[in-house]
Amino acid sequence: GQSLEQPSEVTAVEGAIVQINCTYQTSGFYGLSWYQQHDGGAPTFLSYNALDGLEETGRFSSFLSRSDSYGYLLLQELQMKDSASYFCAVMDSNYQLIWGAGTKLIIKP
Amino acid sequence: DAGITQSPRHKVTETGTPVTLRCHQTENHRYMYWYRQDPGHGLRLIHYSYGVKDTDKGEVSDGYSVSRSKTEDFLLTLESATSSQTSVYFCAISDNKGNEKLFFGSGTQLSVL
Repeated sequence: GQSLEQPSEVTAVEGAIVQINCTYQTSGFYGLSWYQQHDGGAPTFLSYNALDGLEETGRFSSFLSRSDSYGYLLLQELQMKDSASYFCAVMDSNYQLIWGAGTKLIIKP
Repeated sequence: DAGITQSPRHKVTETGTPVTLRCHQTENHRYMYWYRQDPGHGLRLIHYSYGVKDTDKGEVSDGYSVSRSKTEDFLLTLESATSSQTSVYFCAISDNKGNEKLFFGSGTQLSVL
C-alpha cells in the first residue's frame, strides 16, 4: 500500500527553527509537495521537490532524499502566524497526490 | 488568489437524500479535483476531471458521482447521503497533469444526520 508518515504534532517557540519530517512509501514517485492549512481554511501550496537537495523560499525550506524516501520542511524565525497544520504529499506514478495525515504546528511565545 | 468558489459553504442534510456540491473556477484550468478531509486522514481524492466530460475515480469514489459539462464547473453528487460522508469537501484545480501545485477552494462543511 501507499503511505506517508509525518508527526501528528510539533511544538516550538516563537523565533526558533522547526523541522517537520515526512517519510513515504508509494508506488512510483515524481516529487514531494508541502502544503500549509490554517484552522478552518484551505490548504495552500508551499513547496515542491522533484530532485534531491534543499529548496529555499524565504523563511521556509524543503529537503528531499529520494534514496531514503524522506523529506522535511524547515521553518525558520517562527512567527505566531505559522501556527497551522502542514501536509506532505507525494505525486505517484499516476500523477495523483497521496497525502500525509498532517502535522499540527503549535508555536508558543 | 486563484478564482475558485465552492457552494454551499455549509450544508446539513438527512441520511438518504441526494446532495450536490458545486465548484466554480475562473482560471480556465484543465484539471479539477474533489477531495474530502477527515481528522487523521489528511486529504483523500474522490474524483477528478481532466477536461469537459472527462472524469475519473479517486481512492474514495464509492457513493459519489461527478459531472463536468463546462470547463469552469465541476459538480460532486452524493447519490444517497450517509453519515460516513460527513466531512469537509475541498475542490482543487491545476493547469497541468503533474499537479504538484494545486489551488484549493474554501471548502464545504457537510453534515449528514
